[in-house]
Formats: sequence, structure tokens, C-alpha cells
Amino acid sequence: DAKTTQPPSMDCAEGRAANLPCNHSTISGNEYVYWYRQIHSQGPQYIIHGLKNNETNEMASLIITEDRKSSTLILPHATLRDTAVYYCIVRVGNTDKLIFGTGTRLQVFP
Amino acid sequence: DTEVTQTPKHLVMGMTNKKSLKCEQHMGHRAMYWYKQKAKKPPELMFVYSYEKLSINESVPSRFSPECPNSSLLNLHLHALQPEDSALYLCASTTTGGLSPLHFGNGTRLTVT
Repeated sequence: DAKTTQPPSMDCAEGRAANLPCNHSTISGNEYVYWYRQIHSQGPQYIIHGLKNNETNEMASLIITEDRKSSTLILPHATLRDTAVYYCIVRVGNTDKLIFGTGTRLQVFP
Repeated sequence: DTEVTQTPKHLVMGMTNKKSLKCEQHMGHRAMYWYKQKAKKPPELMFVYSYEKLSINESVPSRFSPECPNSSLLNLHLHALQPEDSALYLCASTTTGGLSPLHFGNGTRLTVT
């Protein structure tokens, strides 16, 4: 199964961009990368996903390296409400299996 | 609010009790999941149902028994649990065979005494 590794924690000033890295060096060609976040006591919330092209939606941007071995989630203007644990996940092949990595705890400070 | 509803929100049970966790979605999703999450840890996959059939069991102990009575409902039956089974149990759903993201409920916080 593809695995992901993320830094355990990061800080970001409010209003600045938060760049959260994820390493998925064993990813296969047809495995998508998904990003979720989890605020305390709630279920994980979907943010964005991609295969090999960069993606953007109203919440964030996803930059995937050309070799697909890593990706970066960008929150362009972080707010205090973005304080959460962010998970990078790789779907296992064409299965229904999604395995969470250890996640990054992002703290946004005023 | 989420589109995946889990009940109850909190549950306290003794080691000899039998209880059930329930999950419901009305998005037409045909894949439904149970995850277990211990404090300060990522969610761990337990079971996946696809078209009401169990497709993935991540070697979960038999004291946890999943059931998918129809495409909208997912249950997790609990019996003879241990205190170390205390955790947040999360349900999720998505389309099958596709690439859509999971939709999660807010979980049931289970305490085993």
C-alpha cells in the first residue's frame, strides 16, 4: 500500500499562505492524492484531490511534483479557523481503500 | 452539519454489554466505511462495504461486527469490548469504483468501562 509522510506540526501567521508538504514516494501511476482536515471532535473534511496536474478550488491549491512522489497543499490566506490536523491520503490502486497518514497539526496564530 | 449521520454521538458501555453504532447517508453512495480513531492518532480503516457486501476487513477482531442492511445504512455491532476499544468511530461514504472523496460523519465517541 502506498504510504504518506508529513511533518508532525507547522505554524503559520494569520493572513499568510500555509504550505503543507506530503511525501508519497511509493505512489503508483493511477493512485490519486487526497487532502482532508480534521478539527477537534469532528469528522475529517475533504479539501481537494489530484492525480498529476495541479488543482485549485475555493478552499486550497494542490501542487503535485512531476514525478508524483510528493505534493503540497496551499492555503493561500490562512485564518484562525484553519487550525486543524491536515491529512494527505493516497487511494490504494483502483480499490476502495483509503489509508490515512500521520497528519500535520497546523496552528495558525494571530 | 454533514450529509453522513452517525448515532449516537456518545456511548458508554460495559465490557459485557452489546450495543450498536448506526450510520446513515442519502447521497446514493454505494461504498460505506468504518474507521476507528484513537486520541491524537489518524483514523484507522476497519471495514468497507461495496454494494452492501463486505469488501474490506482490516483484520478487525470479531467483537466488532459490521452490517449493511441497505445502501443507505451501516451498522457496527459491538460485543464484549475491552477498555482499549474506547475511541471515536467514524463512518464515511463515497461512490464505488470511482475517484470521489469520502464524506465523513462526525463520529460516535465510545467509552468502554
